[in-house]
Amino acid sequence: GAGVSQTPSNKVTEKGKYVELRCDPISGHTALYWYRQSLGQGPEFLIYFQGTGAADDSGLPNDRFFAVRPEGSVSTLKIQRTERGDSAVYLCASSMGGNTEAFFGQGTRLTVV
Amino acid sequence: AQKVTQAQTEISVVEKEDVTLDCVYETRDTTYYLFWYKQPPSGELVFLIRRNSFDEQNEISGRYSWNFQKSTSSFNFTITASQVVDSAVYFCALSEPYYGNNRLAFGKGNQVVVIP
Repeated sequence: GAGVSQTPSNKVTEKGKYVELRCDPISGHTALYWYRQSLGQGPEFLIYFQGTGAADDSGLPNDRFFAVRPEGSVSTLKIQRTERGDSAVYLCASSMGGNTEAFFGQGTRLTVV
Repeated sequence: AQKVTQAQTEISVVEKEDVTLDCVYETRDTTYYLFWYKQPPSGELVFLIRRNSFDEQNEISGRYSWNFQKSTSSFNFTITASQVVDSAVYFCALSEPYYGNNRLAFGKGNQVVVIP
Protein backbone atom coordinates (compact mmCIF):
# COMPACT_ATOMS: atom_id res chain seq x y z
CA GLY A 1 0.00 0.00 0.00
CA ALA A 2 0.93 3.64 -0.21
CA GLY A 3 1.07 4.34 3.49
CA VAL A 4 2.14 2.74 6.75
CA SER A 5 -0.25 -0.06 7.63
CA GLN A 6 -0.86 -1.30 11.15
CA THR A 7 -2.85 -4.35 12.18
CA PRO A 8 -5.03 -4.95 14.01
CA SER A 9 -6.63 -1.54 14.34
CA ASN A 10 -8.10 -2.55 17.68
CA LYS A 11 -7.07 -5.26 20.12
CA VAL A 12 -8.74 -6.17 23.37
CA THR A 13 -6.90 -8.64 25.55
CA GLU A 14 -7.04 -9.94 29.08
CA LYS A 15 -4.49 -9.01 31.67
CA GLY A 16 -1.58 -11.40 31.59
CA LYS A 17 -1.97 -12.39 27.95
CA TYR A 18 0.59 -12.01 25.17
CA VAL A 19 -0.07 -9.73 22.18
CA GLU A 20 1.60 -8.95 18.88
CA LEU A 21 1.10 -5.74 16.94
CA ARG A 22 2.15 -5.55 13.32
CA CYS A 23 3.52 -2.67 11.26
CA ASP A 24 3.98 -2.69 7.50
CA PRO A 25 6.06 0.37 6.55
CA ILE A 26 6.17 2.26 3.29
CA SER A 27 8.10 0.26 0.71
CA GLY A 28 11.74 1.26 0.59
CA HIS A 29 11.78 2.99 3.96
CA THR A 30 14.78 1.81 5.92
CA ALA A 31 13.92 3.47 9.23
CA LEU A 32 11.01 2.27 11.38
CA TYR A 33 9.81 3.63 14.72
CA TRP A 34 7.32 2.53 17.34
CA TYR A 35 5.62 5.04 19.61
CA ARG A 36 3.01 4.69 22.34
CA GLN A 37 0.29 7.27 22.87
CA SER A 38 -1.72 7.30 26.08
CA LEU A 39 -5.01 9.15 26.31
CA GLY A 40 -4.53 12.90 26.28
CA GLN A 41 -0.79 12.67 25.75
CA GLY A 42 1.63 13.01 22.91
CA PRO A 43 3.27 9.92 21.42
CA GLU A 44 6.26 8.57 23.33
CA PHE A 45 9.19 6.92 21.60
CA LEU A 46 9.66 3.19 22.16
CA ILE A 47 12.14 1.79 19.64
CA TYR A 48 13.89 2.58 16.37
CA PHE A 49 15.05 0.19 13.65
CA GLN A 50 17.51 0.96 10.91
CA GLY A 51 17.17 -1.99 8.57
CA THR A 52 16.85 -5.20 10.57
CA GLY A 53 18.57 -4.07 13.73
CA ALA A 54 17.14 -2.21 16.70
CA ALA A 55 19.42 0.82 16.71
CA ASP A 56 17.77 2.42 19.74
CA ASP A 57 15.45 0.58 22.13
CA SER A 58 15.88 2.97 25.03
CA GLY A 59 12.18 3.86 25.06
CA LEU A 60 10.90 0.37 25.81
CA PRO A 61 9.38 0.60 29.30
CA ASN A 62 10.49 -2.83 30.56
CA ASP A 63 11.50 -6.30 29.44
CA ARG A 64 7.91 -7.33 28.74
CA PHE A 65 8.19 -5.28 25.54
CA PHE A 66 10.13 -6.53 22.55
CA ALA A 67 10.14 -5.74 18.83
CA VAL A 68 11.58 -7.39 15.76
CA ARG A 69 12.08 -6.56 12.12
CA PRO A 70 13.66 -9.73 10.71
CA GLU A 71 13.74 -8.81 7.03
CA GLY A 72 14.08 -5.06 7.31
CA SER A 73 10.49 -4.41 6.33
CA VAL A 74 7.54 -5.56 8.48
CA SER A 75 7.97 -5.11 12.21
CA THR A 76 6.17 -6.77 15.11
CA LEU A 77 5.87 -5.27 18.58
CA LYS A 78 5.43 -7.98 21.18
CA ILE A 79 4.10 -7.46 24.68
CA GLN A 80 4.23 -10.27 27.24
CA ARG A 81 2.12 -10.57 30.38
CA THR A 82 0.08 -7.52 29.49
CA GLU A 83 -1.01 -5.15 32.22
CA ARG A 84 -3.86 -2.65 32.30
CA GLY A 85 -1.31 0.16 32.16
CA ASP A 86 -0.24 -1.05 28.72
CA SER A 87 -3.56 0.15 27.31
CA ALA A 88 -2.76 2.83 24.74
CA VAL A 89 -2.54 3.49 21.01
CA TYR A 90 0.62 2.05 19.54
CA LEU A 91 1.84 4.01 16.53
CA CYS A 92 4.32 2.96 13.91
CA ALA A 93 6.21 5.32 11.61
CA SER A 94 8.68 4.86 8.78
CA SER A 95 11.07 7.12 6.92
CA MET A 96 13.91 7.12 4.42
CA GLY A 97 16.33 7.54 7.32
CA GLY A 98 18.39 10.45 8.55
CA ASN A 99 16.23 13.43 9.41
CA THR A 100 13.70 12.90 6.66
CA GLU A 101 10.00 13.12 7.30
CA ALA A 102 8.43 10.22 9.18
CA PHE A 103 5.06 8.89 8.01
CA PHE A 104 2.76 7.44 10.64
CA GLY A 105 0.23 4.65 10.51
CA GLN A 106 -3.23 4.91 12.05
CA GLY A 107 -2.17 2.98 15.09
CA THR A 108 -3.36 -0.05 17.01
CA ARG A 109 -5.59 0.70 19.98
CA LEU A 110 -4.70 -1.84 22.67
CA THR A 111 -7.09 -2.32 25.58
CA VAL A 112 -6.09 -4.62 28.43
CA VAL A 113 -9.05 -5.66 30.59
CA ALA B 1 12.14 16.72 31.82
CA GLN B 2 9.64 17.77 29.19
CA LYS B 3 11.53 18.72 26.04
CA VAL B 4 8.51 20.17 24.25
CA THR B 5 5.85 22.19 26.03
CA GLN B 6 2.46 22.99 24.58
CA ALA B 7 0.73 24.86 27.33
CA GLN B 8 -2.75 25.23 25.89
CA THR B 9 -4.65 21.99 26.25
CA GLU B 10 -7.85 22.85 24.40
CA ILE B 11 -8.62 25.85 22.25
CA SER B 12 -12.05 26.65 20.86
CA VAL B 13 -12.52 29.15 18.06
CA VAL B 14 -15.38 30.21 15.87
CA GLU B 15 -14.98 29.41 12.21
CA LYS B 16 -12.96 32.01 10.27
CA GLU B 17 -11.10 33.17 13.36
CA ASP B 18 -7.34 32.79 13.55
CA VAL B 19 -5.77 30.48 16.12
CA THR B 20 -2.16 30.36 17.29
CA LEU B 21 -0.65 27.34 18.98
CA ASP B 22 2.40 27.88 21.16
CA CYS B 23 5.33 25.49 21.31
CA VAL B 24 8.38 25.92 23.53
CA TYR B 25 11.23 23.44 23.31
CA GLU B 26 14.35 22.63 25.28
CA THR B 27 17.60 21.27 23.88
CA ARG B 28 21.34 21.57 24.41
CA ASP B 29 22.11 20.78 20.79
CA THR B 30 22.89 23.48 18.27
CA THR B 31 21.56 21.30 15.47
CA TYR B 32 18.00 20.06 15.84
CA TYR B 33 14.74 19.77 13.96
CA LEU B 34 11.26 20.92 14.86
CA PHE B 35 8.03 19.48 13.54
CA TRP B 36 4.30 20.02 13.65
CA TYR B 37 1.87 17.15 13.16
CA LYS B 38 -1.93 17.13 12.93
CA GLN B 39 -3.93 14.26 14.44
CA PRO B 40 -7.54 14.23 13.23
CA PRO B 41 -10.14 12.00 14.91
CA SER B 42 -9.09 9.11 12.66
CA GLY B 43 -5.89 8.94 14.72
CA GLU B 44 -3.24 9.11 12.02
CA LEU B 45 -0.51 11.70 12.54
CA VAL B 46 -0.25 13.95 9.50
CA PHE B 47 3.04 15.73 8.88
CA LEU B 48 2.73 19.50 8.46
CA ILE B 49 6.23 20.95 8.60
CA ARG B 50 9.88 20.28 9.47
CA ARG B 51 12.24 23.11 10.29
CA ASN B 52 15.96 22.82 11.04
CA SER B 53 17.59 24.93 13.72
CA PHE B 54 19.62 26.97 11.24
CA ASP B 55 16.64 28.21 9.28
CA GLU B 56 14.80 30.89 11.21
CA GLN B 57 12.76 32.16 8.31
CA ASN B 58 9.06 32.13 8.96
CA GLU B 59 7.07 29.95 6.63
CA ILE B 60 3.60 30.17 5.15
CA SER B 61 1.71 27.35 3.47
CA GLY B 62 -1.80 28.30 2.52
CA ARG B 63 -3.69 29.11 5.72
CA TYR B 64 -0.87 27.75 7.87
CA SER B 65 2.11 29.76 9.05
CA TRP B 66 4.96 29.12 11.45
CA ASN B 67 7.03 31.50 13.53
CA PHE B 68 10.41 30.15 14.66
CA GLN B 69 12.12 32.24 17.35
CA LYS B 70 15.40 30.65 18.37
CA SER B 71 16.03 33.33 20.99
CA THR B 72 12.95 32.24 22.93
CA SER B 73 13.08 28.53 21.90
CA SER B 74 9.64 28.76 20.38
CA PHE B 75 8.08 27.40 17.21
CA ASN B 76 4.53 28.68 17.06
CA PHE B 77 1.88 27.68 14.57
CA THR B 78 -0.97 29.83 13.30
CA ILE B 79 -4.06 28.75 11.39
CA THR B 80 -5.63 31.69 9.59
CA ALA B 81 -9.36 31.81 8.88
CA SER B 82 -9.98 28.49 10.62
CA GLN B 83 -12.36 25.93 9.17
CA VAL B 84 -14.26 23.06 10.76
CA VAL B 85 -11.87 20.61 9.05
CA ASP B 86 -9.06 22.11 11.12
CA SER B 87 -10.56 20.53 14.24
CA ALA B 88 -7.89 18.11 15.45
CA VAL B 89 -5.08 17.69 17.94
CA TYR B 90 -1.86 19.41 16.88
CA PHE B 91 1.51 18.21 18.14
CA CYS B 92 4.82 19.99 18.16
CA ALA B 93 7.87 17.72 18.20
CA LEU B 94 11.65 17.95 18.50
CA SER B 95 14.33 15.75 16.96
CA GLU B 96 17.90 15.87 18.27
CA PRO B 97 20.77 14.33 16.28
CA TYR B 98 22.42 13.42 19.59
CA TYR B 99 20.34 10.27 19.54
CA GLY B 100 21.67 9.36 16.09
CA ASN B 101 18.25 8.98 14.59
CA ASN B 102 15.04 10.84 13.97
CA ARG B 103 13.27 9.90 17.18
CA LEU B 104 10.73 12.55 18.02
CA ALA B 105 9.95 14.06 21.41
CA PHE B 106 6.35 15.24 21.28
CA GLY B 107 4.52 17.82 23.32
CA LYS B 108 1.17 16.95 24.89
CA GLY B 109 -0.74 18.48 22.00
CA ASN B 110 -3.28 21.22 21.47
CA GLN B 111 -6.89 20.15 20.93
CA VAL B 112 -8.36 22.66 18.47
CA VAL B 113 -12.13 22.82 18.18
CA VAL B 114 -13.51 24.98 15.39
CA ILE B 115 -17.13 25.88 15.97
CA PRO B 116 -19.21 26.46 12.84
